[in-house]
Amino acid sequence: AQSVTQLDSQVPVFEEAPVELRCNYSSSVSVYLFWYVQYPNQGLQLLLKYLSGSTLVKGINGFEAEFNKSQTSFHLRKPSVHISDTAEYFCAVSEQGYSTLTFGKGTMLLVSP
Amino acid sequence: SAVISQKPSRDICQRGTSLTIQCQVDSQVTMMFWYRQQPGQSLTLIATANQGSEATYESGFVIDKFPISRPNLTFSTLTVSNMSPEDSSIYLCSVDGQGIGGYTFGSGTRLTVV
Repeated sequence: AQSVTQLDSQVPVFEEAPVELRCNYSSSVSVYLFWYVQYPNQGLQLLLKYLSGSTLVKGINGFEAEFNKSQTSFHLRKPSVHISDTAEYFCAVSEQGYSTLTFGKGTMLLVSP
Repeated sequence: SAVISQKPSRDICQRGTSLTIQCQVDSQVTMMFWYRQQPGQSLTLIATANQGSEATYESGFVIDKFPISRPNLTFSTLTVSNMSPEDSSIYLCSVDGQGIGGYTFGSGTRLTVV
């Protein structure tokens, strides 16, 4: 069975600074990887996904993530954050050929002026 | 990607009662998923619902507590039965509308049991 570890429960950052949210996974088979964002009192929105191909994945709102198979990581990055990026970010994994997602515990990104 | 309409968006219920949550998808999908997000926690899969068959429940979730219906390829309901304050959570439905990798989520139902 797969598992996901998000190493930081909360990441405070100033506006226009770069940010990296860390995600590591564990699985005995090949996986698909996802990052979702949840704004306050809202559902989940897909930021980006890695299915195959290039290990650098670009998503919405200027976010990108890099799949590192040897490190079993899928860290999310943004070069310059905005106040509006304040939200909960979830990393998720599914085993190839199987539809169920396993989520990490989430990282709260707090952007201050 | 698929668009999901989930309702109600929130409700406050008395303990011992039941609440049925509905999810309507704008396209036909094979699998629908129901998740629970307890306060301050991540998402936990409750069950997977396929049209025309019994839902498959994850460990720790049972059909008597969380009965699910899947009458067609665009609709599903989750009922939270005999509620207690511990059931206070956000419940979300999800579909894999584009095959693997196209997971879409409803906006969630915020349930408070008093």
